[in-house]
Amino acid sequence: ILNVEQSPQSLHVQEGDSTNFTCSFPSSNFYALHWYRWETAKSPEALFVMTLNGDEKKKGRISATLNTKEGYSYLYIKGSQPEDSATYLCAFVDTNAGKSTFGDGTTLTVKP
Amino acid sequence: DSGVTQTPKHLITATGQRVTLRCSPRSGDLSVYWYQQSLDQGLQFLIQYYNGEERAKGNILERFSAQQFPDLHSELNLSSLELGDSALYFCASSVGSSRSRGETQYFGPGTRLLVL
Repeated sequence: ILNVEQSPQSLHVQEGDSTNFTCSFPSSNFYALHWYRWETAKSPEALFVMTLNGDEKKKGRISATLNTKEGYSYLYIKGSQPEDSATYLCAFVDTNAGKSTFGDGTTLTVKP
Repeated sequence: DSGVTQTPKHLITATGQRVTLRCSPRSGDLSVYWYQQSLDQGLQFLIQYYNGEERAKGNILERFSAQQFPDLHSELNLSSLELGDSALYFCASSVGSSRSRGETQYFGPGTRLLVL
């Protein structure tokens, strides 16, 4: 069983704060890491797909970094807005079977 | 709207029954993925199909099966249903390649299954 862990489990910040959270995954058999944003009562929405060690991706105020050697990825949100409130999921894809293992997510609440 | 459609949206059935969930991928996407989200667990990958062939298998029970048809739509068949099978079942699709490593997956709205 692959262990994909996300921390913190939940986060409450004020509008305008910058925040970050972590996804930890096995450092062996890495194939890809996906980040998703999941709003309540909606479907997961893809944010980033990261495949190479040292990858940095950015989409507006959200960015992510990847360290495959030590097995972690950070997601950063700059200047959080209430509409950023959602659960952020990471999914590790391994080389052996090509299957995805999801973390339990970090639930972000941004207060106006 | 991701372009991925799933039917039905809701399904209520009894234990022991069999149901079929249907997914139509985005136009042009060759890969289809099935996921399960139950109350006590996070999102679980079940199975992936690429252009009609099984590509990767996750935590899919033997009572469950899936297939992808020539028109690329996919069906997930759940049989001998148990109370614990109640969950939200998502389908996702991607453009598709032999390994689909770096591809964005687009999720459908899900089918909520309730087994009574």
